[in-house]
Amino acid sequence: QVQLVESGGGLVKPGGSLRLSCAASGFTFSDYYMAWIRQAPGKGLEWVAWISSTSSTIYYADSVRGRFTLSRDNAENSLSLHMNSLRVEDTGIYYCAKDRGDYSVFDSWGQGTRVTVSS
Amino acid sequence: AIQLTQSPSSLSASVGDTVSMTCRASQGIDTALAWYQQKPGSPPKLLIYAASILEGGVPSRFTGSGSGTDFTLTISSLQPEDFATYYCQQFNSYPPLTFGGGTKLQIK
Repeated sequence: QVQLVESGGGLVKPGGSLRLSCAASGFTFSDYYMAWIRQAPGKGLEWVAWISSTSSTIYYADSVRGRFTLSRDNAENSLSLHMNSLRVEDTGIYYCAKDRGDYSVFDSWGQGTRVTVSS
Repeated sequence: AIQLTQSPSSLSASVGDTVSMTCRASQGIDTALAWYQQKPGSPPKLLIYAASILEGGVPSRFTGSGSGTDFTLTISSLQPEDFATYYCQQFNSYPPLTFGGGTKLQIK
């Protein structure tokens, strides 16, 4: 079955950097778009970034564009999110999610990794 | 960006009840809408996509309807495991993909 396992979260000071990773298994990773979606404490869901199966197209939310970089390694079945210039408002749980493929919705999610930006 | 407004923000009901919640888009999105269920401490789960298509394994008591700007998620014969927060998401126009603010379904 599909499994998505995030790692790399932690506590970082404002202005700092983190690299999140997502290890995928149970499906043909190279066939699917993938995304990161985050959730601030006690808040709703916010789409962060989205990458096509071949990395030819990458979209970012306005709130992270220029600070976050999304990439994937289809040989390693992994997804990475490099986060720079972190802000307090970037705090939350970051979920790795698999695009369904036929529709731009997310049919599998990891358990998430917690990012805390605080001085 | 297309904004999604969910109402009500919270809803109380009893086991066995039928409940409905709505998602309104700031502009027409045809049927490009999905619904997710999220329980505390867990990631969201896809329930419905394309406004009315049930994801595999989701019980038939979940029904989605609507098109254009107004959408409804109906849960009939509520079960204890249905008490959760529900989010809608549009995929008609992106980026950005957008989510609604959520409806929290609580036990009365």
